[in-house]
Amino acid sequence: GAGVSQSPRYKVAKRGQDVALRCDPISGHVSLFWYQQALGQGPEFLTYFQNEAQLDKSGLPSDRFFAERPEGSVSTLKIQRTQQEDSAVYLCASSLKPRDNSYEQYFGPGTRLTVT
Amino acid sequence: KNQVEQSPQSLIILEGKNCTLQCNYTVSPFSNLRWYKQDTGRGPVSLTIMTFSENTKSNGRYTATLDADTKQSSLHITASQLSDSASYICVVTRAGNMLTFGGGTRLMVKP
Repeated sequence: GAGVSQSPRYKVAKRGQDVALRCDPISGHVSLFWYQQALGQGPEFLTYFQNEAQLDKSGLPSDRFFAERPEGSVSTLKIQRTQQEDSAVYLCASSLKPRDNSYEQYFGPGTRLTVT
Repeated sequence: KNQVEQSPQSLIILEGKNCTLQCNYTVSPFSNLRWYKQDTGRGPVSLTIMTFSENTKSNGRYTATLDADTKQSSLHITASQLSDSASYICVVTRAGNMLTFGGGTRLMVKP
């Protein structure tokens, strides 16, 4: 079956532009996670959704970052007024059960954002 | 502070050789530990998962070990292949399924 997909795969934005990154999780997966991965580093947690509810946004670095999952499936991560330090790969992962069940997270290929 | 430290940061080996990657963690409370393989331009893919009571887990040419007392894990790759070239990330899960990622070891296998 289809895995987690993300689009676009690559995005170049000028500093100050807004960007929207899309994640299509595995169908039926309850949990959806967003991570930020700087070059040569491991991913860092941004936010978590259980269905349409955003239960944890403790990792969002600033109020310029906003995520939504209005119908409990597709999610969008929006970054307003992008800055150079936002340049990173943004990974989305989904999991079958709610987060507390420790089910495996399946990762998408990521969106590489470059802010110039 | 919950941390996962990996060593070495990068490694170059010849095809056919073995190698061992290390992971030390201070994450608590511990739920499980996974090793992920991340090919360039791809998302991480789980190789092995170990819970507190498991000492070793194999997946083909990959063997992971876990010492929960010393909070150390290793990933041993046997008879390396060119396709093993990737980043290997140690991920420790805390209760509540919060993942803490290590910085990864970038492995390059040369012919």
